[in-house]
Amino acid sequence: EAGVTQSPTHLIKTRGQQATLRCSPISGHTSVYWYQQALGLGLQFLLWYDEGEERNRGNFPPRFSGRQFPNYSSELNVNALELEDSALYLCASSLPRYGYTFGSGTRLTVV
Amino acid sequence: GENVEQHPSTLSVQEGDSAVIKCTYSDSASNYFPWYKQELGKGPQLIIDIRSNVGEKKDQRIAVTLNKTAKHFSLHITETQPEDSAVYFCAAERPGANNLFFGTGTRLTVIP
Repeated sequence: EAGVTQSPTHLIKTRGQQATLRCSPISGHTSVYWYQQALGLGLQFLLWYDEGEERNRGNFPPRFSGRQFPNYSSELNVNALELEDSALYLCASSLPRYGYTFGSGTRLTVV
Repeated sequence: GENVEQHPSTLSVQEGDSAVIKCTYSDSASNYFPWYKQELGKGPQLIIDIRSNVGEKKDQRIAVTLNKTAKHFSLHITETQPEDSAVYFCAAERPGANNLFFGTGTRLTVIP
């Protein structure tokens, strides 16, 4: 069974640009979660999508947005990139009331 | 919302010794507590979890204990091996919330 896949693995953008990160969940998983992991820090909850709807949002500005497609894959968009947005962005998927399975992440570097 | 605190932030043990990582949570309604292991360059991997209706769960060298009254839970690794070296995260989830709140992580180093 394929795990959670994220693309790209690395992304370098200039301050002010937009970044788009993609996630494909495990087959059959309907929920997708996005977390930000800045260097040396913990996992900060960004967004939760389930059945195509945004269900919950962490304490991040509106320039962090996303969506979930009918096949349950998801996209995270970060607009007007700032230097402090540099981090590892992790996607996870799950079935309701079960633990998450994480992907390997996208390393976003803003220069 | 939920607040999860994790200690220690770094832990070094000799191979074969035991390691204990502790977490506390703030929301008494939380009822699901997973532990994740993150190796360098990889995403976190679920290693063990416990629900609030049990006090302890074991899986080979790994065990988790939960004290609902005190709102804390711990990860115990016995007979540590160098491959146990990683960053470990605890997390808590409230029923219906469906998103995990993570601790700040513990970097475990097992010295051969």
